[in-house]
Amino acid sequence: GAGVSQSPRYKVTKRGQDVALRCDPISGHVSLYWYRQALGQGPEFLTYFNYEAQQDKSGLPNDRFSAERPEGSISTLTIQRTEQRDSAMYRCASSPRGQGAISSYNEQFFGPGTRLTVL
Amino acid sequence: AQSVSQHNHHVILSEAASLELGCNYSYGGTVNLFWYVQYPGQHLQLLLKYFSGDPLVKGIKGFEAEFIKSKFSFNLRKPSVQWSDTAEYFCAVNAGGKLIFGQGTELSVKP
Repeated sequence: GAGVSQSPRYKVTKRGQDVALRCDPISGHVSLYWYRQALGQGPEFLTYFNYEAQQDKSGLPNDRFSAERPEGSISTLTIQRTEQRDSAMYRCASSPRGQGAISSYNEQFFGPGTRLTVL
Repeated sequence: AQSVSQHNHHVILSEAASLELGCNYSYGGTVNLFWYVQYPGQHLQLLLKYFSGDPLVKGIKGFEAEFIKSKFSFNLRKPSVQWSDTAEYFCAVNAGGKLIFGQGTELSVKP
């Protein structure tokens, strides 16, 4: 079966431009997560959704970052007015059930990531 | 504060050597722990996980990890590494739905 897919895989943009990163989760997965990973660091939580509802956005660094999942499937992470410090790997993950369900269903499956470079 | 600490940033071993990667966590809720691996050019994959029960968990490719509650630790072990184990390894704790990752340990195995 298909895993989590992300597009584009690589994105180079100029400072000040807006970018939209897409995540297509595993079919039927309830929860979708976004993480950001700087070079030499572990992934850092940004936000997550159960179905179309954004449950936690505490990890979004500032109001230039936003995410949506309007139909409870595909999600888009948008960064407005990009800055060089936004350069990182952006990772998406999905899991079968949301928090509060049987713990074993909370395993998160990761996509290949989008490498964002802001010049 | 919720955090995960991995003791070693880069480990270099020869093939057939034994491996132990340290992981300590700080989290006050119900503990779900994970080890993920990222092989060169690939995405993050789950090696093993602990939710409850037997504190010694076995994962894929001969890896195992032991949850020691009193030490807040979840160290990863493998008795005999192979060149193909060269990768970056991440420990993580589930903190209310989101995963909190350690900074990662890069393992290089010399043939």
